[in-house]
Amino acid sequence: EAGVVQSPRYKIIEKKQPVAFWCNPISGHNTLYWYLQNLGQGPELLIRYENEEAVDDSQLPKDRFSAERLKGVDSTLKIQPAELGDSAVYLCASSLSPSGELFFGEGSRLTVL
Amino acid sequence: GDSVTQMEGPVTLSEEAFLTINCTYTATGYPSLFWYVQYPGEGLQLLLKATKADDKGSNKGFEATYRKETTSFHLEKGSVQVSDSAVYFCALSDPYYNQGGKLIFGQGTELSVKP
Repeated sequence: EAGVVQSPRYKIIEKKQPVAFWCNPISGHNTLYWYLQNLGQGPELLIRYENEEAVDDSQLPKDRFSAERLKGVDSTLKIQPAELGDSAVYLCASSLSPSGELFFGEGSRLTVL
Repeated sequence: GDSVTQMEGPVTLSEEAFLTINCTYTATGYPSLFWYVQYPGEGLQLLLKATKADDKGSNKGFEATYRKETTSFHLEKGSVQVSDSAVYFCALSDPYYNQGGKLIFGQGTELSVKP
């Protein structure tokens, strides 16, 4: 069974440019998470979806970050415009239910120059 | 708010040495506790978990016991191998957060095992 798939694995952009990350969760997993992992730190939750609904986006910087999960399957996380401090790894995870085990993708590493 | 504190790394051990990675937590409720592992170039994987006080989680020779009195969940392994080299994250799940699912992570501890 395929795991959580993320793309791109690596992205280098200049500041003020837009960037988007894509996540395909494990089939049948209704709950999807986006986490931010800064260098040398543990992941921090950005947003959680239950099917199509964002049930917790309290940690998402809404001035420049946006996310969507159309049809309750794949999800996209966008940053526009990117800032130097956005350089980090963006992790996607999914689970069968809110209380189920989380399965993580390999992450998308962003470098903003 | 809830938080997790891990011992700082990197930790460097020789093969077959005993491993302990300390983890303490702060939580208002009764969280579930987890250890995740991240091997080089791979995503985070659940290593083991414990859902209530005095529970012991174990997997692949690793163990951790949920100690409510000391608010700790230390990771141990009796004999490490080179293949255990990875970054280890302690985490808790807040049971009052929308029926669970929000993981709060420590900063991670890098383990390097030398032959």
